[in-house]
Amino acid sequence: QKEVEQDPGPLSVPEGAIVSLNCTYSNSAFQYFMWYRQYSRKGPELLMYTYSSGNKEDGRFTAQVDKSSKYISLFIRDSQPSDSATYLCVTASGSARQLTFGSGTQLTVLP
Amino acid sequence: ETGVTQTPRHLVMGMTNKKSLKCEQHLGHNAMYWYKQSAKKPLELMFVYNFKEQTENNSVPSRFSPECPNSSHLFLHLHTLQPEDSALYLCASSQDDEGDTQYFGPGTRLTVL
Repeated sequence: QKEVEQDPGPLSVPEGAIVSLNCTYSNSAFQYFMWYRQYSRKGPELLMYTYSSGNKEDGRFTAQVDKSSKYISLFIRDSQPSDSATYLCVTASGSARQLTFGSGTQLTVLP
Repeated sequence: ETGVTQTPRHLVMGMTNKKSLKCEQHLGHNAMYWYKQSAKKPLELMFVYNFKEQTENNSVPSRFSPECPNSSHLFLHLHTLQPEDSALYLCASSQDDEGDTQYFGPGTRLTVL
């Protein structure tokens, strides 16, 4: 069993749609939860970071963590074509040496 | 130059060649990382350096040899690679190896023939 499971997609939505990206993890020791975005031919960039259960909002993006069910979500409101990228779910138990990545979900927002 | 840069961006090499990947970070960080990203697979951590000292070697074959001459530069020396080593090699940096936020370079797309 992978430590972090993500639906690989691809996922295609029309512009303006609400997007929901999901992850599950298996290790209860994970304390930090991140979403990285990776555009084609680029390295991943940090999008959202949280360390507790609940919601964290940043503009059109909301990260949601439920530690009891080991479930992580990223919601994108009013999706734009510029949101087309691969989204990586990432967890950590405490140290940057121990980041655990999901395999990523490829998202395409159609104009 | 800002952020994390990597050269070359693309590399094609034969199985008997020797080549090196270079990474440079302009963020004043003290920790640097090498990752391997293969299609449809999670990023695999290869090596971690903190203040120029290697702090993690994730059971990487010896045909990959890292070098960190200072906190700003990281190299990955390649020799006698296999076709299955073809992947995107990503460099990242963070303030130190206890922090959580890593900043990635654009990667080197490596093809081994």
